[in-house]
Amino acid sequence: NAGVTQTPKFQVLKTGQSMTLQCAQDMNHNSMYWYRQDPGMGLRLIYYSASEGTTDKGEVPNGYNVSRLNKREFSLRLESAAPSQTSVYFCASSEPTGMNTEAFFGQGTRLTVV
Amino acid sequence: AQSVAQPEDQVNVAEGNPLTVKCTYSVSGNPYLFWYVQYPNRGLQFLLKYITGDNLVKGSYGFEAEFNKSQTSFHLKKPSALVSDSALYFCAVRDIPGGYQKVTFGTGTKLQVIP
Repeated sequence: NAGVTQTPKFQVLKTGQSMTLQCAQDMNHNSMYWYRQDPGMGLRLIYYSASEGTTDKGEVPNGYNVSRLNKREFSLRLESAAPSQTSVYFCASSEPTGMNTEAFFGQGTRLTVV
Repeated sequence: AQSVAQPEDQVNVAEGNPLTVKCTYSVSGNPYLFWYVQYPNRGLQFLLKYITGDNLVKGSYGFEAEFNKSQTSFHLKKPSALVSDSALYFCAVRDIPGGYQKVTFGTGTKLQVIP
């Protein structure tokens, strides 16, 4: 049982380049999330998907787009990368919103934009 | 707006000694509280949660946390620290009602257990 799988694990981009971070979960969870982790700032929510077919902005959505491809997969796209998007990105999933459950996290993608 | 504070960036403790990682929170209603651990180059792993009921919550790897409503705290504790407990610990809170997207994370506390 793999849990939450993210690809790639590391990526270096030049300013202005685009890329998509992939995330898949095999726990049949309805809700999925993308966070970024920066030193001294904890985790901040970028976008989330409460269920298949829906997506909503989180705390820091600017510069990102998401796609909930199906129940298992939730991708994050950077259309034109900026140095400020250098960060570690985590995908997570949980039972449906409104339930008092914890989230399960992927191993993260370390992104550097030069 | 809800918030969570972890006042210590780093906690050092000798192996075998008890450890405490502090967390205080602010919510408008009753809180759901969580502790996560992050080992180097890994994602966050769930340790324990408080929803309701007994103020002392037991979790994974021998950790426990005490919910104190009057002090709005949810400190993480372990009676005897192991070197393998060295990691980054995050406290998180969300208000009721609201889904997991409403969770607010603290900035993290690095725990260093010294052999």
